[in-house]
Amino acid sequence: AQKVTQAQTEISVVEKEDVTLDCVYETRDTTYYLFWYKQPPSGELVFLIRRNSFDEQNEISGRYSWNFQKSTSSFNFTITASQVVDSAVYFCALRHTGNQFYFGTGTSLTVIP
Amino acid sequence: DSGVTQTPKHLITATGQRVTLRCSPRSGDLSVYWYQQSLDQGLQFLIQYYNGEERAKGNILERFSAQQFPDLHSELNLSSLELGDSALYFCASSVPSGANVLTFGAGSRLTVL
Repeated sequence: AQKVTQAQTEISVVEKEDVTLDCVYETRDTTYYLFWYKQPPSGELVFLIRRNSFDEQNEISGRYSWNFQKSTSSFNFTITASQVVDSAVYFCALRHTGNQFYFGTGTSLTVIP
Repeated sequence: DSGVTQTPKHLITATGQRVTLRCSPRSGDLSVYWYQQSLDQGLQFLIQYYNGEERAKGNILERFSAQQFPDLHSELNLSSLELGDSALYFCASSVPSGANVLTFGAGSRLTVL
């Protein structure tokens, strides 16, 4: 069965703090893809990153970084020096070769100025 | 602009009515997905089409139906509407490759009064 768990429903941090959003997935496939999407208050869903199951390299993009660990089936997302504009709901998703996307329930991040 | 166009952006209607939501995928994308996001809920997968044919079905009610036309645009029909159908309905498109990303439209917000 394919499943994505985002155990943190809501997180609040003060501006400039670092914050990590957790994502744990389940799949029996050896080939799969992991994604993070951002949904700001305006409502649209914005793609942030994609990772395939063969690439465990961590990635950094500005203040964003992603830690993919197959050993723990986790794909965590860290925002460094958070800003008010980072306030949004963040979704983790899994796609396997069957072309289906499985989304977690999302983590609502509030950055307090 | 993601390249995925959804109309209408907002729709207010009464219980028992029927509405049609329209989606034009990004140029070159053959797959269209429909998702429902109710208040404070995650993304519920409804249905997927690939090049005109239904590919996968999720938690789609019998009162709901969809299709993808030869020009690849898709319509989601919601009938006998109930208050609980009030939600944000997203369309997303992708090319048929395992690594590819779901690109979301801005969503259609349906309010049933």
